[in-house]
Amino acid sequence: DSGVTQTPKHLITATGQRVTLRCSPRSGDLSVYWYQQSLDQGLQFLIQYYNGEERAKGNILERFSAQQFPDLHSELNLSSLELGDSALYFCASSPRTGSATEAFFGQGTRLTVV
Amino acid sequence: GENVEQHPSTLSVQEGDSAVIKCTYSDSASNYFPWYKQELGKGPQLIIDIRSNVGEKKDQRIAVTLNKTAKHFSLHITETQPEDSAVYFCAASWGTGGGADGLTFGKGTHLIIQP
Repeated sequence: DSGVTQTPKHLITATGQRVTLRCSPRSGDLSVYWYQQSLDQGLQFLIQYYNGEERAKGNILERFSAQQFPDLHSELNLSSLELGDSALYFCASSPRTGSATEAFFGQGTRLTVV
Repeated sequence: GENVEQHPSTLSVQEGDSAVIKCTYSDSASNYFPWYKQELGKGPQLIIDIRSNVGEKKDQRIAVTLNKTAKHFSLHITETQPEDSAVYFCAASWGTGGGADGLTFGKGTHLIIQP
């Protein structure tokens, strides 16, 4: 158990809908990262937050947004969902920011868009 | 941006033999190279990492080597056991100069340990 908690574990929704994925980082970790894992794209970095502020953006679509709250948990919001958004979404956390920082992953949320 | 290539995509070895997975990266500024193991239905688990100021690191049956000049790094697993069967991912960490970072992952290697 990495100590990173993600909810829900599974989510099934229809195209055009909006969903929110939640992540609680390891105790004391200030950085939260979101990744998307799909068969064709592999594991792709979406966005990073550090102590409530956005620090880095990867291949995140404009329909997606995230935030980190004062208690350090984070939410990833996915809107106007398309079939191609079906994937595993992982949250990872690390104690600080900057390169060369180890990151620990949660168990993921499997999103299915029908 | 960073690009990480990983080979092979599938590796089958006999139990007790060694397994080697290789990765190359493109951005010479990358300075952190973790390896993750992912079992079915689970999230990636950090198993070992290496920083750019080190050429080799070992942890029991697992070792990682880094060649900065050639921009490649490898995972070595010795005395493989059935529980080593999983998908292994290499990654390279990049920075944006503001202290932020993200990981670029390879496509993964499905390691199969044959009894």
